[in-house]
Amino acid sequence: DQQVKQNSPSLSVQEGRISILNCDYTNSMFDYFLWYKKYPAEGPTFLISISSIKDKNEDGRFTVFLNKSAKHLSLHIVPSQPGDSAVYFCAAINQAGTALIFGKGTTLSVSS
Amino acid sequence: DVKVTQSSRYLVKRTGEKVFLECVQDMDHENMFWYRQDPGLGLRLIYFSYDVKMKEKGDIPEGYSVSREKKERFSLILESASTNQTSMYLCATRGPSYEQYFGPGTRLTVT
Repeated sequence: DQQVKQNSPSLSVQEGRISILNCDYTNSMFDYFLWYKKYPAEGPTFLISISSIKDKNEDGRFTVFLNKSAKHLSLHIVPSQPGDSAVYFCAAINQAGTALIFGKGTTLSVSS
Repeated sequence: DVKVTQSSRYLVKRTGEKVFLECVQDMDHENMFWYRQDPGLGLRLIYFSYDVKMKEKGDIPEGYSVSREKKERFSLILESASTNQTSMYLCATRGPSYEQYFGPGTRLTVT
């Protein structure tokens, strides 16, 4: 049973436009969420996180929004750049606080 | 900066071989993790360790074992490699916060 879901396997966006990547979760006890970015043949790199006591966290071009009632979070990238083309993983910290539960990822392609 | 290194970037092994994947971190982090990444399946946790000589099974531990004899080193062992263990293996560490820091990965092919 998948606890963290990224229902869109891929997303294509033009350079300069907004990219919105979505993530849903099933466990209302999750209280910390993270986004990672992964290029081919490299390890994932941490992008941004959000605690459940907040509904928004911003870092430069990246903003994460959390809607607890809908059990939904989204990552906004504005403006999108070709270098943002990568796989993006949403993750939640498990209830024990010991490990991350990852979604299956969304491949973002930004065309110039 | 956190540095996580993995012993090999690419590895080719034969079915039935014993395979060791090594991970070393330089940040004195307590927690270390092994994941595998497969297309369409995301990152799946194999094992993790929260202290020297301590280990916990993740979601898919079957066919794998681990060893943590020193704080900085966490090894993943495939006792008898099989073709369904062909994958990208990723090691990660975690300090006091929830963020995990990943190594570059090992692309293992079992033929």
